[in-house]
Amino acid sequence: EVQPVESGGDLVPPGGSLRLSCAASGFTFSREWMTWVRQAPGMGLEWVANINPDGSDIYYLDSVKGRFTISRDNAKNSLFLQMDSLRIEDTAVYYCARDSRGGVFDFWGQGTLVTVAS
Amino acid sequence: DIQMTQSPSLLSASVGDRVTITCRASQSISNRLAWYQQRPGKAPKLLIYKASSLEGGVPSRFSGSGSGTEFSLTISSLQPDDLATYYCQEYSTGILKTFGQGTKVEIK
Repeated sequence: EVQPVESGGDLVPPGGSLRLSCAASGFTFSREWMTWVRQAPGMGLEWVANINPDGSDIYYLDSVKGRFTISRDNAKNSLFLQMDSLRIEDTAVYYCARDSRGGVFDFWGQGTLVTVAS
Repeated sequence: DIQMTQSPSLLSASVGDRVTITCRASQSISNRLAWYQQRPGKAPKLLIYKASSLEGGVPSRFSGSGSGTEFSLTISSLQPDDLATYYCQEYSTGILKTFGQGTKVEIK
């Protein structure tokens, strides 16, 4: 069964840092694009960043460029999101998902909650 | 950037009703549109991709149509299990992926 599992969410103060992880299983991780999508409390879905199979092609939402870094370790079937200079508006559940067929998110993790507050 | 607009924002219908949700793109996206279902407290689930292709394991009462800028998701006979928020998402540019604001489906 394809099942991404996120971890690393926490309560952090504004300006702080956090690193999210996503452990993938059930598919050949090293061959797939992966993505992060977030959902602020009571709000809709917002794509954050994605990365190609070998990590050489990366894209970000404008509002997180320069603050967030997506990366992967194919040997460990893991995806990461390093979040620096966190803002209150970054508060959300962060989902990792497989990004297939040119931009379709076909398998999602259960999400991890990031709360930015003082 | 492409904007995606869904309507209605809230839909209330009875079990067995046929319901349709509309998604409009601010510019042509060909058929590069997906639909997701998000049940309360759960992660989103892919229903439809390429505007009208049903994802494996998704009940056949769900269907999608449209191309260019106008798209729709139809549930042919609403079931209690369909209580959820539905999102459209474009993937035409290969870079930014934009979601609609969501349509909450309630059961009367």
